[in-house]
Amino acid sequence: ETGVTQTPRHLVMGMTNKKSLKCEQHLGHNAMYWYKQSAKKPLELMFVYSLEERVENNSVPSRFSPECPNSSHLFLHLHTLQPEDSALYLCASSQDPGQGARGTEAFFGQGTRLTVV
Amino acid sequence: GENVEQHPSTLSVQEGDSAVIKCTYSDSASNYFPWYKQELGKGPQLIIDIRSNVGEKKDQRIAVTLNKTAKHFSLHITETQPEDSAVYFCAATGGADGLTFGKGTHLIIQP
Repeated sequence: ETGVTQTPRHLVMGMTNKKSLKCEQHLGHNAMYWYKQSAKKPLELMFVYSLEERVENNSVPSRFSPECPNSSHLFLHLHTLQPEDSALYLCASSQDPGQGARGTEAFFGQGTRLTVV
Repeated sequence: GENVEQHPSTLSVQEGDSAVIKCTYSDSASNYFPWYKQELGKGPQLIIDIRSNVGEKKDQRIAVTLNKTAKHFSLHITETQPEDSAVYFCAATGGADGLTFGKGTHLIIQP
């Protein structure tokens, strides 16, 4: 148990569906992240929220929409996805030192295995 | 931005032998280098890390070395056990852009 909980663990959705992934951290951290993990690729950083403000959006398609209502919760809203979006989506949290610097030790949740059919 | 290369992609060793995984990074400003272990069906778990003011760090059977001049760092696992079988990821950051990960090494411990 890392202190970062993701739900659901598995999700199958059609290309016209709308679904949301949820992440909750119990570590008192002030930054949260979404990563995408595909087979034979490095973990890809999708979004960063620091102090509930989005600070990075690494050219992620608009069919992925993040939401961070507070420092403990992070959502990833999904709509009209493509089969190539099937992957493991990982949430992580860290403690940012502030002044634009990113935190170092990142703790990951178990991930949501997403399959788009 | 940072670029991290990791080798090998697959490593098979006999139980009890040592395993070494190597990574190189491109950004000389990077100063924090963690290693993660990912077991099947789980998220990556931090197992050891090193900062640029240190050349080596050890935690029981696991050690990490850092060569700042050559911009490479390595994970060493001694006396390997079946439970060491997993995918291992290295990462690097200078603090501005978050962690950049290598592609991972699938470590297989042969009984």
